Amino acid sequence: NAGVTQTPKFQVLKTGQSMTLQCAQDMNHEYMSWYRQDPGMGLRLIHYSVGAGITDQGEVPNGYNVSRSTTEDFPLRLLSAAPSQTSVYFCASNSAGPSYEQYFGPGTRLTVT
Amino acid sequence: AQKITQTQPGMFVQEKEAVTLDCTYDTSDQSYGLFWYKQPSSGEMIFLIYQGSYDEQNATEGRYSLNFQKARKSANLVISASQLGDSAMYFCAMRAAWNYGQNFVFGPGTRLSVLP
Repeated sequence: NAGVTQTPKFQVLKTGQSMTLQCAQDMNHEYMSWYRQDPGMGLRLIHYSVGAGITDQGEVPNGYNVSRSTTEDFPLRLLSAAPSQTSVYFCASNSAGPSYEQYFGPGTRLTVT
Repeated sequence: AQKITQTQPGMFVQEKEAVTLDCTYDTSDQSYGLFWYKQPSSGEMIFLIYQGSYDEQNATEGRYSLNFQKARKSANLVISASQLGDSAMYFCAMRAAWNYGQNFVFGPGTRLSVLP
């Protein structure tokens, strides 16, 4: 049981480049989320999904796209990278129900130059 | 809108002593969950403890306990007998029960340093 996996662990992009951060979970969780973590700001929700085929925006969605074709996978796409997107990105998943905690992936450290 | 406040950017505690990390929250929902996560320097997010808004007893998990005061909207984390390995960032988070899939709101975190 691998839990939540993310690839890559580190990435450097040039301004304007695009890329996809991969996220997968093997716990059959309905809910998956993407966060970014910046110093002093905690975690901010980018996009989330409540099931295959269903996604919605979080607090900071601009510049990012998501899709959820399967229960297991929830990739995050950066359309045209900007230095403001330099951050650590976490993917998380959880079961339905208010008492269920989120399980987090190890994170991806992204630098945009 | 939900909001989490953690007013202590950094805290120091002597090894083997207890420490309280503050968390206050703001929500108009009656049913919600409160969570604490630990983030060591290695970067992973580790779930510590959960408290439901209707739970009558304060949650405990080993050396972690949650001092839940619903009327004051506070959910402070108490770590007893601090260890050097407790040095980390600690995040308080909340989720409203009606929106429990995606609406985790996190506080800015408190950096705890345990001194030998």
